Amino acid sequence: QKEVEQDPGPLSVPEGAIVSLNCTYSNSAFQYFMWYRQYSRKGPELLMYTYSSGNKEDGRFTAQVDKSSKYISLFIRDSQPSDSATYLCAMSDETLYNFNKFYFGSGTKLNVKP
Amino acid sequence: EAGVTQFPSHSVIEKGQTVTLRCDPISGHDNLYWYRRVMGKEIKFLLHFVKESKQDESGMPNNRFLAERTGGTYSTLKVQPAELEDSGVYFCASSQGRVGRYNEQFFGPGTRLTVL
Repeated sequence: QKEVEQDPGPLSVPEGAIVSLNCTYSNSAFQYFMWYRQYSRKGPELLMYTYSSGNKEDGRFTAQVDKSSKYISLFIRDSQPSDSATYLCAMSDETLYNFNKFYFGSGTKLNVKP
Repeated sequence: EAGVTQFPSHSVIEKGQTVTLRCDPISGHDNLYWYRRVMGKEIKFLLHFVKESKQDESGMPNNRFLAERTGGTYSTLKVQPAELEDSGVYFCASSQGRVGRYNEQFFGPGTRLTVL
């Protein structure tokens, strides 16, 4: 069983739509939950991270973590064509030094049509 | 500030040959990570350096892979001899060493390795 499961898509939506991206995981030790965005031929770029459960909002982006269900989400409001990319969830557990390796989902490819 | 850089961006070699990938982390970042994405699969951890020391190499697939970080600056990942299943994109990431705080991992653009 994979540590992190993510629907690969592709997901195609019209401009202005609300996008919902999700991941599930199996390791209850995970405490940090990240969303990365990756454009073609580029490296992953951090969008936001959340520690433990709860919500976090940054502009048009909202991250949610439900540790009881081992389920995380990223919502994108008022989606733009420039949001078209692959979105990767990543997770890590917490140790004293927090320099831990990340476990990634396989990524969801998003296409926002003008 | 310059980001994480990787060289080469793309490498095509034949099975049995040797390839060396290089990563230059962000200046001042003690932590350096190597990850790999094989086609159709998720990005997977290979190993982690703290300065020049290997902290965690649990993801290294076998002894054909050798990583070094001399002087705690740039790192190299050598594959010798390369096999077909080594094809993929190799990412390097770096982070600061702030104890007790979240340390963002900054990723390079990756090296796309094709083994024929």
